[in-house]
Amino acid sequence: QLQESGPGLVRPSETLSLTCAVSGGSISSAGYYWGWIRQPPGKGLEAIGTIFYTGNAQYNPSLKNRVTISVDTSENQFSLSLSSVTAADTALYYCVRERVGGVIGYWGQGTLVIVSS
Amino acid sequence: QSALTQPASVSGSPGQSVTISCAGTNSDIGGYNFVSWYQQKSGKAPELIVFHVTERPAGVSARFFGSKSGNTASLTVSGLHPDDEGFYFCGSYSSSSPLVVFGGGTKLTVL
Repeated sequence: QLQESGPGLVRPSETLSLTCAVSGGSISSAGYYWGWIRQPPGKGLEAIGTIFYTGNAQYNPSLKNRVTISVDTSENQFSLSLSSVTAADTALYYCVRERVGGVIGYWGQGTLVIVSS
Repeated sequence: QSALTQPASVSGSPGQSVTISCAGTNSDIGGYNFVSWYQQKSGKAPELIVFHVTERPAGVSARFFGSKSGNTASLTVSGLHPDDEGFYFCGSYSSSSPLVVFGGGTKLTVL
């Protein structure tokens, strides 16, 4: 299971921070990537980035300057940090488990983050 | 704007079949057999229903059938049930992107 946590309201220009707790398996399992996907209200899916348990991360080029994904194997969790947020970053944020070929087999329930003053 | 192109909506009557298309390029759908489909019901997270173009996860009904021809993938839902209503997204590995790319989603309505 995957469970997102973090503030539901972030002020413009501040940093959005979310954590995903992984249960029922080890985040260090070979063959899986851990990632974040977001969905603005009423819109489609956008991949934000993925990370392997070794710490090797890949990011969406359109967000690359603002996003950092980190992993904590001792706590079996991974985190998202998105800086300088604007209203355009308002979305449902999902943490996911992905395997080779972009197959996203597990999704968290999602957490709504609203960017507003 | 999404990397893959899906119709905004499709509809069908109970018992009928509908097909949802997902158009890409030879850098994604056409070049690799890494197409996945996700079903999203209202207020819920997406769920994987097809992967590697034609494979279904355990527990997913055989009424969901994936296929591919050239740069276009398709999801056919046969024997429509009212419970099939929701949004359907395609996703694919892409050599042009470090991450999976998605279609914009298709709303399936069972009339």
